[in-house]
Amino acid sequence: QKEVEQDPGPLSVPEGAIVSLNCTYSNSAFQYFMWYRQYSRKGPELLMYTYSSGNKEDGRFTAQVDKSSKYISLFIRDSQPSDSATYLCAMTLYSSASKIIFGSGTRLSIRP
Amino acid sequence: ETGVTQSPTHLIKTRGQQVTLRCSSQSGHNTVSWYQQALGQGPQFIFQYYREEENGRGNFPPRFSGLQFPNYSSELNVNALELDDSALYLCASSMDRGGTEAFFGQGTRLTVV
Repeated sequence: QKEVEQDPGPLSVPEGAIVSLNCTYSNSAFQYFMWYRQYSRKGPELLMYTYSSGNKEDGRFTAQVDKSSKYISLFIRDSQPSDSATYLCAMTLYSSASKIIFGSGTRLSIRP
Repeated sequence: ETGVTQSPTHLIKTRGQQVTLRCSSQSGHNTVSWYQQALGQGPQFIFQYYREEENGRGNFPPRFSGLQFPNYSSELNVNALELDDSALYLCASSMDRGGTEAFFGQGTRLTVV
């Protein structure tokens, strides 16, 4: 069993829709939870990170962490074609820059 | 764009050969981590260097080795290349091991034939 499970998609939604991306994990010791966006032929770019449980909002993006269920989510409001990318959930034990365990990524496509 | 640069961007090698990949960390960052990303997968941690010392290693064989230099740039060396080593190799730099963000370079696409 992988430490972090993520549905690979692909996920295709119309422009303006709310997108929900999710991951589950098995190690209850994880403390930092991140979402990265990766465009084709580029390196991952950090979107948001959250320490422990709770919600965090940044513009159109909201990250949620439920440690009791070992479940994290990323919501994208008013989705744009420029949001089309692969989204990687990730987590670490000690800090968001220590050894990062990634999910396999969900490929998202926003249709104009 | 982050300040992390990797070279070369693409590379084709033959099975059994050796390869060296290079990474220049972002200014002010003293920690460099290397990841391997196979097609359709998330990146997997290879190892991390902090102030020129290895500081943690993932589940990769000893033929994967690295160096960090006094200017905090880094190299990843892979010996005895295998077909399964074909992947995108990513370098990430951060300010200290406990930094709040790791900045990734664009990666080196390695193809082993």
